Amino acid sequence: AQSVTQPDIHITVSEGASLELRCNYSYGATPYLFWYVQSPGQGLQLLLKYFSGDTLVQGIKGFEAEFKRSQSSFNLRKPSVHWSDAAEYFCALFSGGYNKLIFGAGTRLAVHP
Amino acid sequence: DAGVIQSPRHEVTEMGQEVTLRCKPISGHDYLFWYRQTMMRGLELLIYFNNNVPIDDSGMPEDRFSAKMPNASFSTLKIQPSEPRDSAVYFCASAKGTARTEAFFGQGTRLTVV
Repeated sequence: AQSVTQPDIHITVSEGASLELRCNYSYGATPYLFWYVQSPGQGLQLLLKYFSGDTLVQGIKGFEAEFKRSQSSFNLRKPSVHWSDAAEYFCALFSGGYNKLIFGAGTRLAVHP
Repeated sequence: DAGVIQSPRHEVTEMGQEVTLRCKPISGHDYLFWYRQTMMRGLELLIYFNNNVPIDDSGMPEDRFSAKMPNASFSTLKIQPSEPRDSAVYFCASAKGTARTEAFFGQGTRLTVV
């Protein structure tokens, strides 16, 4: 079955601390993976994507993610979190068989000053 | 480009009424997606179009839901009759070239059915 799991529903970090949001996927072929961010009352914005090649991908707003095939993971990281990063983050997998994005349940990030 | 534009941003309606949500995709994009977001079920793809043609509507919950795309710059999602369990945020997204490229999302329509 094709699926995306984000194990952490809520995460709270202090401003300036490092961040890692976990994402695990289940897919039979080479995955196309995405991270989206949703600020309150807004739509989703793409942070970064992995299609092939370098397994460490850089995105906007200082985010990066590393694809690890052996662990079926695509974790999102940021070395120093800003208060404006408080939002909900979604990992997504493109399913070629169904020709659509499959989203994880999301991780809500809170940032303490 | 102004991005994907959805209207209205908020809609409150009474159970049994017809509701129409509207979407204008980014110019030049040939894929259009309708998603529903709820606390219980997260983000669900309802239907998507390619070149104005519905390709996959398997996510449409039931016959009360219908979607159309009469031209490349406009799509509607209609619920008739509406029920309280339809309360959710409905997103429209568009993409260019292939469904696996970046999808650009609108700001959503928050629907409340009372």
